[in-house]
Amino acid sequence: QKEVEQDPGPLSVPEGAIVSLNCTYSNSAFQYFMWYRQYSRKGPELLMYTYSSGNKEDGRFTAQVDKSSKYISLFIRDSQPSDSATYLCAMSRLTDSWGKLQFGAGTQVVVTP
Amino acid sequence: NAGVMQNPRHLVRRRGQEARLRCSPMKGHSHVYWYRQLPEEGLKFMVYLQKENIIDESGMPKERFSAEFPKEGPSILRIQQVVRGDSAAYFCASSPGNSNQPQHFGDGTRLSIL
Repeated sequence: QKEVEQDPGPLSVPEGAIVSLNCTYSNSAFQYFMWYRQYSRKGPELLMYTYSSGNKEDGRFTAQVDKSSKYISLFIRDSQPSDSATYLCAMSRLTDSWGKLQFGAGTQVVVTP
Repeated sequence: NAGVMQNPRHLVRRRGQEARLRCSPMKGHSHVYWYRQLPEEGLKFMVYLQKENIIDESGMPKERFSAEFPKEGPSILRIQQVVRGDSAAYFCASSPGNSNQPQHFGDGTRLSIL
């Protein structure tokens, strides 16, 4: 069993819709949670990061962490075609701080005009 | 504001040759991480370095792979006697010296083994 599970998609939504992404994990030691966006042939770009539980909002993006369920989510409001990319969740243990990330496999998102 | 710089962007080697991948961290960052991304798979941690020190190499194969981050110059990931299975995208990330900031990634080196 993988430590971090993420549905690979593809997830297709119309422009303007809300994109809902999630990851589940099995190791309760994870304390740091991140979402990255990766365009084809490019490196991961940091979108959101949180420590421990709770919600965080930044513009059109909202990240949620539910440690009791070992479940994290990313919501993208008012989606645009430029949001079409692969979204990666990542997490690390308290002892690793923000380092040694464990990644999900990534969800491919397609926003259609 | 230069980000993490990796070169070359593409590298082609024949089986048995050596591959050297370079990574210059963001300005002010002293922590470097290397990850490998195989086709249809997520990124896998390989090694974590600080200047002149390997902190965690638990994800790096014991043979043929080595990494360094010298006092001066970029971090180097070295793969000796490459095999077809080494074909992948190799990403470098960096973070500041304190423990309160996540990593930022470069655009990777795509290694192809003929």
